[in-house]
Amino acid sequence: DQQVKQNSPSLSVQEGRISILNCDYTNSMFDYFLWYKKYPAEGPTFLISISSIKDKNEDGRFTVFLNKSAKHLSLHIVPSQPGDSAVYFCAVHNNAGNMLTFGGGTRLMVKP
Amino acid sequence: ETGVTQSPTHLIKTRGQQVTLRCSSQSGHNTVSWYQQALGQGPQFIFQYYREEENGRGNFPPRFSGLQFPNYSSELNVNALELDDSALYLCASTSGGGRGTYEQYFGPGTRLTVT
Repeated sequence: DQQVKQNSPSLSVQEGRISILNCDYTNSMFDYFLWYKKYPAEGPTFLISISSIKDKNEDGRFTVFLNKSAKHLSLHIVPSQPGDSAVYFCAVHNNAGNMLTFGGGTRLMVKP
Repeated sequence: ETGVTQSPTHLIKTRGQQVTLRCSSQSGHNTVSWYQQALGQGPQFIFQYYREEENGRGNFPPRFSGLQFPNYSSELNVNALELDDSALYLCASTSGGGRGTYEQYFGPGTRLTVT
């Protein structure tokens, strides 16, 4: 059973436009949500996170939105830059198992 | 500040063999988690070590085992390797046993190929 899903395997965006990456989860008990970025031959890099008590968190060009009723998480990148091209993973913290559960990832390509 | 380091970078083993992967946590971090990332998938949690004890385990068989040392570095051992064990193995560190600090910081990974 996939508890965390990223339904878009890839996304292509023009430089300067907004990138929106989506993530759905099944368990309403998840308490913390994170986004990671991964370049080839590197480990995932922490990007931004949000607690379940909030619905928005912003850090520079990156904003994460949490819709608890829909069990939906999204990452907005604006403006998108070619250096943002990478695979993005959403992850949820599962307090029961003290672990992160990851989605399958979305490959973002930002075209100059 | 030193980040998470892993060794070796790449490894090729034969089915049935045993392998040991190593990880040094980021300075100031006392909690280490191991993840397996198969091609085209997200990382899957194997287990976590805090204060040299296993502090949580994912859905992996007992032939996956680990250790944490007093300096917080860690090892992942896999016995009786199977072809499906071919993957990128990621180590991540944090502090406080994962409580209150949920961000984990990853190393570059070890690419294991089982033939």
